[in-house]
Parts: sequence; structure tokens; C-alpha cells
Amino acid sequence: SAVISQKPSRDICQRGTSLTIQCQVDSQVTMMFWYRQQPGQSLTLIATANQGSEATYESGFVIDKFPISRPNLTFSTLTVSNMSPEDSSIYLCSVGDSFMNTEAFFGQGTRLTVV
Amino acid sequence: SQQGEEDPQALSIQEGENATMNCSYKTSINNLQWYRQNSGRGLVHLILIRSNEREKHSGRLRVTLDTSKKSSSLLITASRAADTASYFCATVSNAGNNRKLIWGLGTSLAVNP
Repeated sequence: SAVISQKPSRDICQRGTSLTIQCQVDSQVTMMFWYRQQPGQSLTLIATANQGSEATYESGFVIDKFPISRPNLTFSTLTVSNMSPEDSSIYLCSVGDSFMNTEAFFGQGTRLTVV
Repeated sequence: SQQGEEDPQALSIQEGENATMNCSYKTSINNLQWYRQNSGRGLVHLILIRSNEREKHSGRLRVTLDTSKKSSSLLITASRAADTASYFCATVSNAGNNRKLIWGLGTSLAVNP
């Protein structure tokens, strides 16, 4: 199992600013993922955070808007850059094994409101 | 892209009743997983069922998988108010080395005391 600490749990930000969300895992993990979830909706994968290399982004998400760092096997950050109200959402960090053959674990989420 | 679809999208039942949620998917899978989410918080894993399994139990939860119909169901028996949450299915495909979870749209369950 893995315990994930995600910070901050919530924030209210001004448009045009940036917010960095941190994800700390209590053990080394292979796969780390960042999701966005609009209220009442399902999860949308933003990117897979790769240790030691650039993140792999899903269609519709770009590095300039959502830069990701993963300096080691237990930590990752997601930055939401140049925010607009459309970025208001819940952002979730998740970890799993290499082939997703076992359960994924999630942080408690970051509820972001952009005003 | 989302490939899973759950139905119903919303379900309201009385405490003590059973709740059944269904999930359909489109491609060949390695496994299918069910998760619960309380009020926009992090998701909690419930059950993982592999493509060669047909049924799995965990406490009051029963999951079935029909790979010929590309569908799964989650049954919660003797529901409690604390079961009120959103439930999501997620599939892992067989294809490629970069595996990820493909999420369904979710079922919002309300259990009334």
C-alpha cells in the first residue's frame, strides 16, 4: 500500500497566477499520475510523471500550462500556470505499479478555485 | 479518453436495500477496478477483478465481470448511509507498455436513512 500526502488541500487563486501542488508518497513508486476532476464529473488524466525524464501528457494538456516535476520516486509536483476560472477543479495525485496490475492509491485532492 | 460508462448515473435507495451499478467498456482489458469517492475527495480502491475472473467478493461488495459483453457490475448488499458516495469503474487495457486507468463516468449513490 501507499500513503499519499497532497498539498494544499484547497486554494483560492487570482487569475493569471500559478499554483504548485505537491504529492509526497511514503514509499518508492514507479508510476505517478496527475488527474483533473470537474465537479460531478469523472477523472481526466493530465499526465504521467516520469522519474528522471519529461512527463507524458495526454491529449489536450501541454507542458507550458501544466509543468510537472518528478525529482525522485516518492515526490512529484504539478503546477497550474497562468490560471483562469476554467482551471477551477479538483486535482488529484495517484500512484500505481508499472502495469497497473494492482490497485491505485490517491491523494486527498486539491480543490482549486480561480477568481 | 473515457471509455467506460456506468449506469445508472445516479441511484437513490433506502438503507438496507441493495445497490447495483453497471459498467461497460470498449476494448480488451487486463483488469477492471472499482473505486469509491466521497464528496470530491481522493478515491478509495474497492475491488480489482482480472480478465480471467468472473466474480469477486469483498465483505458486502460483489463484483462480476463478463468479458464477452464487456461489462461489469458492482453490487452493494444491505446498504448503509455511509455507502453514500460516487462509484467509478476503471479499466486497464492489455495493449502497450504505458498502461493507465481508463475511467468510467461514475454512479452517484445516495443511501437514505
